[in-house]
Amino acid sequence: KAGVTQTPRYLIKTRGQQVTLSCSPISGHRSVSWYQQTPGQGLQFLFEYFSETQRNKGNFPGRFSGRQFSNSRSEMNVSTLELGDSALYLCASSPGQGADTGELFFGEGSRLTVL
Amino acid sequence: AQTVTQSQPEMSVQEAETVTLSCTYDTSESDYYLFWYKQPPSRQMILVIRQEAYKQQNATENRFSVNFQKAAKSFSLKISDSQLGDAAMYFCASPLISNFGNEKLTFGTGTRLTIIP
Repeated sequence: KAGVTQTPRYLIKTRGQQVTLSCSPISGHRSVSWYQQTPGQGLQFLFEYFSETQRNKGNFPGRFSGRQFSNSRSEMNVSTLELGDSALYLCASSPGQGADTGELFFGEGSRLTVL
Repeated sequence: AQTVTQSQPEMSVQEAETVTLSCTYDTSESDYYLFWYKQPPSRQMILVIRQEAYKQQNATENRFSVNFQKAAKSFSLKISDSQLGDAAMYFCASPLISNFGNEKLTFGTGTRLTIIP
């Protein structure tokens, strides 16, 4: 069974630009969560999508947005990039219902550098 | 505020020795799972062990075991016979309720474990 796939793995942007990151969950998983990881703040929850609906949201500004498609693939977008957005963005999937224990299965992450 | 706290930013242990990483949490959930994740330098987070709060027995996975104290909301990870491959960041995680009123898995700030040959 293929794991969680994130693209791109690395990217460099400049301030003011926007970026879109993609995540393909494990087959059969309907929930996709996004986290921002920085050395100073650890893992900060961004949002969760389930069946194309945002089910949960963290405390991030409106510049951070996401969506989920009917095949459960998800994208997140960051507009008007700031230097502080430089981070590792982690996507994680889970079944999202039924016997879901809450365990998350993570991708390798997308490393964003904002110059 | 609901939090997950790891009070040890860094730990080191001699190879083959035992080390314990600490974690406290503050969930309002009544039935939940707790998790320890490992993030090696290659970055991918992988599950080390999980504990169901309703089970009295502490979870064990080979060299990894937990000491779960539900009343104290404490969930420590013990690594026995430490190996070089255990070197990583370790994150404790607990479900907490977000402002949306839904459960989200919340992580501590991590403990960087170094194995000394």
